[in-house]
Order: sequence, then structure tokens, then C-alpha cells
Amino acid sequence: KQEVTQIPAALSVPEGENLVLNCSFTDSAIYNLQWFRQDPGKGLTSLLLIQSSQREQTSGRLNASLDKSSGRSTLYIAASQPGDSATYLCAGGTNAGKSTFGDGTTLTVKP
Amino acid sequence: NAGVMQNPRHLVRRRGQEARLRCSPMKGHSHVYWYRQLPEEGLKFMVYLQKENIIDESGMPKERFSAEFPKEGPSILRIQQVVRGDSAAYFCASSVGTGDGYTFGSGTRLTVV
Repeated sequence: KQEVTQIPAALSVPEGENLVLNCSFTDSAIYNLQWFRQDPGKGLTSLLLIQSSQREQTSGRLNASLDKSSGRSTLYIAASQPGDSATYLCAGGTNAGKSTFGDGTTLTVKP
Repeated sequence: NAGVMQNPRHLVRRRGQEARLRCSPMKGHSHVYWYRQLPEEGLKFMVYLQKENIIDESGMPKERFSAEFPKEGPSILRIQQVVRGDSAAYFCASSVGTGDGYTFGSGTRLTVV
């Protein structure tokens, strides 16, 4: 059974700082790893999707990496802005369709 | 090019009533997933459906909950005889195929009074 853990649960940084969010998973037979952003009271917005055959994906100031052997993924956010404040969720997907979510890291970027 | 559409956005039901939550997947997506997010908790998988088939219902409570994805129309998550503990945000996601990335709807926030 896949278990996904995100540490820390909350993170506060000053504007402009580069930061890394961590995601660990127990089953290395992961099919894909997807990072989402959730604003309070809203739905989930997909940020990056990494297939199991890939090592990383980039979109603008975001870079996500996947290391299946160590059971880890990271989301790197460059030059953080107050608008980046949100909860960031990672999800490990299987080839059977189901994805398992971590509980998220709530990021606050202070002006 | 509409995304995943969920309605209603907010639903209030009295204890014992039925709740029906609807989800229309993104155009071109034939796989639908339902997740529940309880207050201050993470997203928990409920059910995975394709047209006219339930593929994985391992996360569905054994009683009162059912889901369908008919040949025509949206996917429906049905909760019978709701209780206060059913109060949560229910999210629907869709994908092109098995193992592809998810696109989420905005969710339905169910409040049981």
C-alpha cells in the first residue's frame, strides 16, 4: 500500500527566497508523481507531472524532481512571491489509475 | 475548452437526506476519480470509474455511498441518509487514460446540518 508523506506541514519564508518542498513515498513502483497547488476553499491546480521514466520537469519558476530509488520527490520554487502562498500537495500514481496524496505543505511567503 | 465541471459548488443537507454530487469530466477524458477531503485532512481516494464501469471502489464506505458514470451524462456520487460526519469537500478528477495525470474540478462542499 502506497503511503505519501510531506514534511514540513507548514513553511514560512520571506519573499524572494528559493525553497524546496519534500515528498516521500513508500512504494517505488510508482507510475507517476504529480504536484498540485490548493488555495484555501478551492480545488486543486496541477503544477507538474513526472512520469516514472523521467527524472524532472520544469515550468517557469518551478522544478520537480523524482528519485524512485530513494522514494523521494522535491518541488523547487525559485524567487518565491506572496502569490505562491498556498498548500502544495504531491500525489503518487499507479498504472491502475488510483493516486495517493500526501497531506500537503502549507507555504506562506511574507512580503 | 471547459475543464472538469462539478455541481453544485455548495450543498446543504439535513441529516437523513440524500446528497447527489455531479461531475462532468474534461473533454476527451474518459476516466473519473472521486476524492474526499475532510476538514483539516488530506485527500482520500474513494472510487475510480470509466464509462459504465466501476474500476476501483476500495475507498468507498461500505454503506450509504454509491457512484456511477453512465454512458451519457455526468458521473454521480450519491450519499444516502447523510450524517454530520459526511460533511466534507468532495473532489472529482478526470484523466485521459489509466496512469495519466489528473485534472481536478473545483469540488462540492457538502454540509450536513
